[in-house]
Amino acid sequence: AQTVTQSQPEMSVQEAETVTLSCTYDTSESDYYLFWYKQPPSRQMILVIRQEAYKQQNATENRFSVNFQKAAKSFSLKIPDSQLGDAAMYFCAYRSAGGGAQKLVFGQGTRLTINP
Amino acid sequence: EAGVTQFPSHSVIEKGQTVTLRCDPISGHDNLYWYRRVMGKEIKFLLHFVKESKQDESGMPNNRFLAERTGGTYSTLKVQPAELEDSGVYFCASSHLGRGLYNEQFFGPGTRLTVL
Repeated sequence: AQTVTQSQPEMSVQEAETVTLSCTYDTSESDYYLFWYKQPPSRQMILVIRQEAYKQQNATENRFSVNFQKAAKSFSLKIPDSQLGDAAMYFCAYRSAGGGAQKLVFGQGTRLTINP
Repeated sequence: EAGVTQFPSHSVIEKGQTVTLRCDPISGHDNLYWYRRVMGKEIKFLLHFVKESKQDESGMPNNRFLAERTGGTYSTLKVQPAELEDSGVYFCASSHLGRGLYNEQFFGPGTRLTVL
């Protein structure tokens, strides 16, 4: 079974600084998808960025980018120029790409605080 | 286009009582998922409907949980009888059929269940 680990329960950063959220995962599959979701306080979870394991190039979406290291099974999220609106719970998630289950496997989440 | 909606937003019940949670997916989404987050832990998959059929119910914790999706539209998740460990936030998500990277799961705001 696949597992996702987020080792940082909480992170705090000054506004305008760069923050990197860590995520590692474990799988025996060769093709899969990785995601970062953001859940602002009292709001719905939304997709921030997605990555396909077969693509070497790191995904980018607006200000957000990832550092995908397939061999190390690492998928970190970089948020440059952090803004107050970036404060949220961030969840890393895994989904099989093959014929298996379509469910998302989540990490424990990282609560990101932005200090003005 | 309306997003995924869930009702109620909060529910507080006594141990042994019954609670029914409802999820309305985005119109046209055949995939419907239920997830649960117990306080401070990861979001865990419960089950997956394709239209009205249960595709994967491997995450259902026990037979006190019953999920239905009549007519392939909205879904209900009934907990009967509720136990203390059932407390948490129950999320519903929906997506179109398909397995690709861009087949995004859209999440509802969740139902916070507290069992006293």
